[in-house]
Amino acid sequence: GEDVEQSLFLSVREGDSSVINCTYTDSSSTYLYWYKQEPGAGLQLLTYIFSNMDMKQDQRLTVLLNKKDKHLSLRIADTQTGDSAIYFCAVPPDTGRRALTFGSGTRLQVQP
Amino acid sequence: KAGVTQTPRYLIKTRGQQVTLSCSPISGHRSVSWYQQTPGQGLQFLFEYFSETQRNKGNFPGRFSGRQFSNSRSEMNVSTLELGDSALYLCASSSPTGGETQYFGPGTRLLVL
Repeated sequence: GEDVEQSLFLSVREGDSSVINCTYTDSSSTYLYWYKQEPGAGLQLLTYIFSNMDMKQDQRLTVLLNKKDKHLSLRIADTQTGDSAIYFCAVPPDTGRRALTFGSGTRLQVQP
Repeated sequence: KAGVTQTPRYLIKTRGQQVTLSCSPISGHRSVSWYQQTPGQGLQFLFEYFSETQRNKGNFPGRFSGRQFSNSRSEMNVSTLELGDSALYLCASSSPTGGETQYFGPGTRLLVL
């Protein structure tokens, strides 16, 4: 089945950019997702990218997709303390199915 | 538009009991998926329902079951609870016209003693 990998921890200073990386083994889905989870909360959809795109920008968020290398990244510009959370990359197995496979999550710590 | 709601938010049960969790999707969404989140296994897909039919199922024992009603609300049931069932159970809904994107509720935190 699908395997999704992320680094576990990232620490940045407030105002810096954060880059969270994700690799996956196989997906023929149309979409790939980034979710954010704050302590004690559910998952908040941050952004997603169509598989036929290389890049998507959404305010402070930039998603890059390299389909050849099966690599997805999320860049947060001007990182704020409120961005401290766990970020999950999520990949569906194929189009039309909603059984997301999640990475282990990257805990982002933003230092003032 | 109201988001996905889950009840109850917190639950404490003892081993051997059963539990039922409820999920109300975003209005107009007909697909509901359930996920289990634990520190050890992370986020794992349980099952998906669409128009009252189970469409996909994850790799969980038969003690985990679910159903969906005609108004798209969904319930999941865990019978004969084990300590390892302690987890955050998340429900997500998606729209048939909005692609596959899933929107999650706040979750139900289940503690099995």
